Amino acid sequence: NAGVTQTPKFQVLKTGQSMTLQCAQDMNHEYMSWYRQDPGMGLRLIHYSVGAGITDQGEVPNGYNVSRSTTEDFPLRLLSAAPSQTSVYFCASLGTAYEQYFGPGTRLTVT
Amino acid sequence: RKEVEQDPGPFNVPEGATVAFNCTYSNSASQSFFWYRQDCRKEPKLLMSVYSSGNEDGRFTAQLNRASQYISLLIRDSKLSDSATYLCAMNTGFQKLVFGTGTRLLVSP
Repeated sequence: NAGVTQTPKFQVLKTGQSMTLQCAQDMNHEYMSWYRQDPGMGLRLIHYSVGAGITDQGEVPNGYNVSRSTTEDFPLRLLSAAPSQTSVYFCASLGTAYEQYFGPGTRLTVT
Repeated sequence: RKEVEQDPGPFNVPEGATVAFNCTYSNSASQSFFWYRQDCRKEPKLLMSVYSSGNEDGRFTAQLNRASQYISLLIRDSKLSDSATYLCAMNTGFQKLVFGTGTRLLVSP
């Protein structure tokens, strides 16, 4: 099992550019989520999905879109990047005992 | 008040010491509790779940105090390799987890 994979590992964007962060899991977990982690702020939930075709907003959803067409994939789209979106992004999937499995993260810098 | 609060530290301890962290929570409906470990520039990884009866795994002991609404993590015989940030987490509703901001531990020789 690869677990949760994310691409890219690093990305630099200019303000206004758009991009998609990829996330995939091979554990057949229904629940997946995206977090951002900033110094002193901890992990904040951006969007989550309880299964294919179902998504919902978390704590900080503005500026991000998600879709869930398959159980395995849960991409995060930045519509028009802003410097405030500079962060480390983690995708995660939830096991049956509420244990969270995280991907390795994407370090995003917006200039 | 934040849903989950942790002392950010850092806790500086010598090798072999015993160290304990607490994590307080405000949502009395929380049912599942966890401790995660996060190394610098890495993803968080599950360290252990916290059960009502307590949970021990080698040098690590986790406990839950529902009356005072906190969970604790005790590390005995600290190793250099225990240096990391320790995050507490709990579910606050249907499959949603809330994380603390983490407590940094530095173990020195």
